[in-house]
Amino acid sequence: DTEVTQTPKHLVMGMTNKKSLKCEQHMGHRAMYWYKQKAKKPPELMFVYSYEKLSINESVPSRFSPECPNSSLLNLHLHALQPEDSALYLCASSQVAKPLYEQYFGPGTRLTVT
Amino acid sequence: TQLLEQSPQFLSIQEGENLTVYCNSSSVFSSLQWYRQEPGEGPVLLVTVVTGGEVKKLKRLTFQFGDARKDSSLHITAAQPGDTGLYLCAGEGNTPLVFGKGTRLSVIA
Repeated sequence: DTEVTQTPKHLVMGMTNKKSLKCEQHMGHRAMYWYKQKAKKPPELMFVYSYEKLSINESVPSRFSPECPNSSLLNLHLHALQPEDSALYLCASSQVAKPLYEQYFGPGTRLTVT
Repeated sequence: TQLLEQSPQFLSIQEGENLTVYCNSSSVFSSLQWYRQEPGEGPVLLVTVVTGGEVKKLKRLTFQFGDARKDSSLHITAAQPGDTGLYLCAGEGNTPLVFGKGTRLSVIA
């Protein structure tokens, strides 16, 4: 099974809402990633978890809060977002973070902040 | 900051034509990956190249990693409409992956 699943596929939320994005993989990968992708732009790295510990935070605003409850699950908690946070949020996983092997991406969550 | 420049940004060709897209940097990368992304979907890994000078073939796609591990190319032979998509190169450097801005390919039947 080489699949990374993400839920929900689409999410519309107001600026005062609290919501969470979920990502799951069952490939035994020990590195998991969150990316943000705006239209017609490449993915931008947000967070990296390595062995369930946060190893990289690319200066992401605190209204985005990642969580890795176990080696298969990755969450992204959202609170008080801005309309400019609307984007496709991609989760990915790889065997380990360094050296990097193949990175497998999920289909993404399309987030709209109103 | 390590940057990857991809060219061309856009490419529209007829079915059956050949094409090459390029991924260049002034930095050395430990490895380089190529992905294809369809609209509204996540990128799908096509290949990883690790050794300078390495050439990998995937059916009609040929990938090459430069000798100095600073650049790469993707050549598609006899393009088909199913090859349409955004092609992204990504390098393993100081951060797990640095993405180029992509080449948007459209193959017209």
